[in-house]
Amino acid sequence: DAGVIQSPRHEVTEMGQEVTLRCKPISGHNSLFWYRQTMMRGLELLIYFNNNVPIDDSGMPEDRFSAKMPNASFSTLKIQPSEPRDSAVYFCASSLISGWGGPLHFGNGTRLTVT
Amino acid sequence: GENVEQHPSTLSVQEGDSAVIKCTYSDSASNYFPWYKQELGKGPQLIIDIRSNVGEKKDQRIAVTLNKTAKHFSLHITETQPEDSAVYFCAASKQGNEKLTFGTGTRLTIIP
Repeated sequence: DAGVIQSPRHEVTEMGQEVTLRCKPISGHNSLFWYRQTMMRGLELLIYFNNNVPIDDSGMPEDRFSAKMPNASFSTLKIQPSEPRDSAVYFCASSLISGWGGPLHFGNGTRLTVT
Repeated sequence: GENVEQHPSTLSVQEGDSAVIKCTYSDSASNYFPWYKQELGKGPQLIIDIRSNVGEKKDQRIAVTLNKTAKHFSLHITETQPEDSAVYFCAASKQGNEKLTFGTGTRLTIIP
C-alpha cells in the first residue's frame, strides 16, 4: 500500500491567490482528516469526513477554507483567498473510524507558504 | 473542549538512557490516549496507544502509563537509540480516533 498521498509537497503562493491541496486516502479507510501544523498552535484538526460526509468542520478557521470529498479516494482542501497567516504544513490522514481508537495514517504533508 | 499539555518541549538524553515525556488532559470523559512519533519531513506515526480501562501498556522498549484520577499519562522509552530522535506527540479523545486533541510536542534528541 502506498499510504496516504498528498500533493503538492510544497506550495508557494502570493497573498490573495487560491490554493488547493489534494489527498488520496488509503483504500478501504472510511474516514479522512485534514490537520494543520504550525509552531505556535501545533497540530489542529480542521475537518473530518466519515464515508465521504463531513462530520465536524468546527476547526476550519474561517470561510476562506473549504474541504470536499467527492468520492472515497479523493479529497481537497481549498483556501481562497490565501493569507500569510495560512502558512503551515497541512496534513491529510485516513483511518478506519473506531470508538476503540486505532491509528490515523498521515500523509507526508503539504508545506504551504503564502507571501 | 479538551486541552492537552505536554512536557518537556525538548529533551536530550544519552544513548542507552531512558526518556520520559508527560502529558495532562482536562476532559475527564477522554478515554483514548495515543502517542505519535514524527520524523523530519514526514507525517506523525502512531507508536503506542492506551485506553482508559488500562493503566499501563508496553511494547518492547516503549511503555505508556495512565493515571485517570490525576488525568495524566506518560511515555517511557528505555535503552534509547539514535533512531528514537524525533518529535513525539501525545493526544487524547473521548471518541476513539475521531477528534484527537494533540499536545504541543516534545523534540527528543538522543546523544550518541
